[in-house]
Amino acid sequence: QLVLTQSPSASASLGASVRLTCTLSSGHSSYAIAWHQRQPEKGPRYLMKLNSDGSHIRGDGIPDRFSGSSSGAERYLTISSLQSEDEADYYCQTWGTGIQVFGGGTKLTVL
Amino acid sequence: QVQLQESGPGLVKPSETLSLTCTVSGASISSYCWGWVRQPPGLGLEWIGYIYYGGSTNYNPSLKNRVTISEDTSKNQFSLKLTSVTAADTAVYYCARHTGVATKIDYWGQGTLVTVSS
Repeated sequence: QLVLTQSPSASASLGASVRLTCTLSSGHSSYAIAWHQRQPEKGPRYLMKLNSDGSHIRGDGIPDRFSGSSSGAERYLTISSLQSEDEADYYCQTWGTGIQVFGGGTKLTVL
Repeated sequence: QVQLQESGPGLVKPSETLSLTCTVSGASISSYCWGWVRQPPGLGLEWIGYIYYGGSTNYNPSLKNRVTISEDTSKNQFSLKLTSVTAADTAVYYCARHTGVATKIDYWGQGTLVTVSS
């Protein structure tokens, strides 16, 4: 079964960097994912598509402070030079034939 | 600039049908794949389904018996109907664009809260 697992919460200081993790279920380590950000009171925003080899393509207007990387079944989103507006929920998404799956989301707090 | 906007009643009675419409600007719904995602209060995102290529659809198996997604290309809109709703269907409903069938979402609507209550 295709499942994505995310830690419920993370925190980091203003100006620092943080790495969020999304883990694919067993047998699905070759899958690409997408990262999305949902700021308070706003709809989600697409950040990037991240492939199993770590290559990634950011969405329109997404700053290069947001980057992605991969290791095995893990997919990472790194946010550098944290700003207050980065405080948000972050979701990973993947897909298969006829299905779409989301991770449970990570709530990022900027201290 | 692609924009999506959900519209529809914010309150639906139990056992009735939830109906929402997504109006798209900046892209033709005759291209790409267009879908719905919801988020119940305090919970994560749940995929509902999508429509593509002239009316083909794929639905979340857990909702398949109650969901219909349709399109109106003349208005550049697509719609969601969810029948026999219960309180568990209370959620923020988002419409979204996928870059293709079985691929990522690249644009989202702002979302609309639908409450199921008598």
